[in-house]
Amino acid sequence: AQTVTQSQPEMSVQEAETVTLSCTYDTSESDYYLFWYKQPPSRQMILVIRQEAYKQQNATENRFSVNFQKAAKSFSLKISDSQLGDAAMYFCAYRSAQQRRFGAGTRLTVKP
Amino acid sequence: GAGVSQSPSNKVTEKGKDVELRCDPISGHTALYWYRQSLGQGLEFLIYFQGNSAPDKSGLPSDRFSAERTGGSVSTLTIQRTQQEDSAVYLCASSRTGGTFNYGYTFGSGTRLTVV
Repeated sequence: AQTVTQSQPEMSVQEAETVTLSCTYDTSESDYYLFWYKQPPSRQMILVIRQEAYKQQNATENRFSVNFQKAAKSFSLKISDSQLGDAAMYFCAYRSAQQRRFGAGTRLTVKP
Repeated sequence: GAGVSQSPSNKVTEKGKDVELRCDPISGHTALYWYRQSLGQGLEFLIYFQGNSAPDKSGLPSDRFSAERTGGSVSTLTIQRTQQEDSAVYLCASSRTGGTFNYGYTFGSGTRLTVV
């Protein structure tokens, strides 16, 4: 079975600094997508960024970027210039035609 | 609607009672998913509806759980004879499809179920 592992239950970053959240996954499939979702205290999950497995170029969305290492099955999220509003649970997700799995999440705290 | 709507937002029920949770997806989204999120845990897949195809029920934890989707739109998740371990946030999500799976989900705000 495919698994998604987030090894950091909690992370903390100073406002305006950069933080990287890690995610690894296990799969035997070649065609899949990876996502990062943010869940603030309001409980509403929000899509942050997505990465197609067949693309070597790392996805970027404003202050959010990923480091996708397909051979290593690693998909980390980098948040630059962290803001107080970035404080939330972050979930890494894997999706293919057959599978849809989420990691256990990383709680990010942003210190003013 | 503009987003995925779930109701109720909170539900407290007595052990042994049945509950129904409702999800109204984004208009035009053919795929609908139910997930369960226990306290401090990740998301556990429950069930997936895609258009008129037979749903993928592989994630339902027991036969006390069932779900239906009427008219390809609104979905109801039913939990019969609730147990305390059913206490969790139940999240619904919808997405566009078109033979691909690259679309991200749009989630509702969830229903927090507490079984006492």
